[in-house]
Amino acid sequence: DGGITQSPKYLFRKEGQNVTLSCEQNLNHDAMYWYRQDPGQGLRLIYYSQIVNDFQKGDIAEGYSVSREKKESFPLTVTSAQKNPTAFYLCASRPGTASNQPQHFGDGTRLSIL
Amino acid sequence: GQSLEQPSEVTAVEGAIVQINCTYQTSGFYGLSWYQQHDGGAPTFLSYNALDGLEETGRFSSFLSRSDSYGYLLLQELQMKDSASYFCAASDDYKLSFGAGTTVTVRA
Repeated sequence: DGGITQSPKYLFRKEGQNVTLSCEQNLNHDAMYWYRQDPGQGLRLIYYSQIVNDFQKGDIAEGYSVSREKKESFPLTVTSAQKNPTAFYLCASRPGTASNQPQHFGDGTRLSIL
Repeated sequence: GQSLEQPSEVTAVEGAIVQINCTYQTSGFYGLSWYQQHDGGAPTFLSYNALDGLEETGRFSSFLSRSDSYGYLLLQELQMKDSASYFCAASDDYKLSFGAGTTVTVRA
């Protein structure tokens, strides 16, 4: 079955530690996205990538980094510079960037501070 | 960027009709999407409007008025499984901007 796989489902970070969230898709989609969701709030865009080896900052990129070395993979690193990382992180993809194409989401990773 | 406003909560009984309004302020607007998210789950796509008018998909319909910067999602014949959060999202060139979401609670 085609889809988006995020791992781990739950992640705990110690103070001063960088952690990396995995996102893999086998849908052959060009565009991939990372969102952060806080309780009672909508999804806020962290980074997005329209094509391999290219990515752009979203609305809340500070304290995060990404890479897009392969079409199917778009890992997100939450660095120690992100002072409030506790949130639900969602990865999404879509075939291209045409506005009528829906985004497909993974099941998310919940990150907490120890 | 985009700014979207939608009500935070709506409660209705099974079989009822619920309308979730969404107003947006944009700097570049291509269309309005709606996503459903059950508690703790992944958002799933419901509908997309690029042009003014009503789009119907089963029990759900979505409407857009570009001149009013306004859209709505209509949920008909409500079922218990429709209890979820619903997000409107505005498209610009390459990405979506989401509203804060409307929690719909369906009561028996």
